Amino acid sequence: GENVEQHPSTLSVQEGDSAVIKCTYSDSASNYFPWYKQELGKRPQLIIDIRSNVGEKKDQRIAVTLNKTAKHFSLHITETQPEDSAVYFCAASKGGNKLTFGTGTQLKVEL
Amino acid sequence: GAGVSQSPRYKVAKRGQDVALRCDPISGHVSLFWYQQALGQGPEFLTYFQNEAQLDKSGLPSDRFFAERPEGSVSTLKIQRTQQEDSAVYLCASSLSQGTYTEAFFGQGTRLTVV
Repeated sequence: GENVEQHPSTLSVQEGDSAVIKCTYSDSASNYFPWYKQELGKRPQLIIDIRSNVGEKKDQRIAVTLNKTAKHFSLHITETQPEDSAVYFCAASKGGNKLTFGTGTQLKVEL
Repeated sequence: GAGVSQSPRYKVAKRGQDVALRCDPISGHVSLFWYQQALGQGPEFLTYFQNEAQLDKSGLPSDRFFAERPEGSVSTLKIQRTQQEDSAVYLCASSLSQGTYTEAFFGQGTRLTVV
């Protein structure tokens, strides 16, 4: 089955700096890659996603890149703010089916 | 409703007790997923329904776990003879249809603690 690895497990940045989280996947048939943000005790919420026919997608301060050949994708957050502090999960799926999640990255944005 | 609703939010069970966790998906959503999230980990897939049909139950860890969605809407995840290793947050997610690129909306989860 699919296996998703995520790095780093914790990331601390200064407010205004950029943050990058990287994921790799194993199943070349995976074609949908969402990123979820989960605040403590709350539900995971989709922040951005990318499909396998696209190499990059941007939404304001958030961008995701996908390298199908290398089977890795990354989340980029620019101009980080304290409210960006949360756990971020990458995931992969085939055809909109079940999601296989990474182990999460605890992002802390320090003032 | 406005989103996916799960109940109860918290459940404490004595080891060996049976529990039932409820999920109310977004109205009209065809697909429903259950995930288990252990502390400090990502959610792990348990089972998937398309309407009332359970199409994938490959993630259920043992035959003590059972899920149903009899009318294609509300779903119940039942755990029999709970064990300490069952302690986790159980998340339900629904999506509009089965197909590529359909966003899954998550509920807030049920935190199960087995003592």
